[in-house]
Amino acid sequence: GESVGLHLPTLSVQEGDNSIINCAYSNSASDYFIWYKQESGKGPQFIIDIRSNMDKRQGQRVTVLLNKTVKHLSLQIAATQPGDSAVYFCAEEKGGKLIFGQGTELSVKP
Amino acid sequence: DSGVTQTPKHLITATGQRVTLRCSPRSGDLSVYWYQQSLDQGLQFLIQYYNGEERAKGNILERFSAQQFPDLHSELNLSSLELGDSALYFCASSVDGGIYGYTFGSGTRLTVV
Repeated sequence: GESVGLHLPTLSVQEGDNSIINCAYSNSASDYFIWYKQESGKGPQFIIDIRSNMDKRQGQRVTVLLNKTVKHLSLQIAATQPGDSAVYFCAEEKGGKLIFGQGTELSVKP
Repeated sequence: DSGVTQTPKHLITATGQRVTLRCSPRSGDLSVYWYQQSLDQGLQFLIQYYNGEERAKGNILERFSAQQFPDLHSELNLSSLELGDSALYFCASSVDGGIYGYTFGSGTRLTVV
């Protein structure tokens, strides 16, 4: 089927802690995954991507992990800051279109 | 500013009416995508245009239609509006119709009353 889902709808972390946002996907043939951040009143903003031939990819303060065995994707944010508060979506690319998960709302407590 | 421009930002209209949402892609991008974001359905792909031609169709209702003009801007037409059509409508653009450099606009919030 074509579904990308998130384990937790909300996540609250303390400023400075690390955040982990999880995502499960169902299409084992998927080749490309993307994490987006959406702040209130704005469109989704690209954070980081990963292809299926990789297990891990790192960006600035963010790391994406891909476990193809269990069809699981995670986004790790190091030293979470108040500006990281937003809704985070994983998305799976299929034929040029994106299939989005439902989103996880990250709330950072000062 | 992502470079993708959507107008209007907000739209309030009555059931049964018709509205047009507009999207100007980033300079140089040939492909435009429309997405609907509602509370119960999340972000759903509606339709894609590439250089004026429809390339892919998703969960788009028959009451909805879109087109891409020679100057590459796109319009999404929503007709016979229902309360359930209230949502955020996003446009995204990319250079070549693929995923790389896929950039979203800020969206149009449609409220049907």
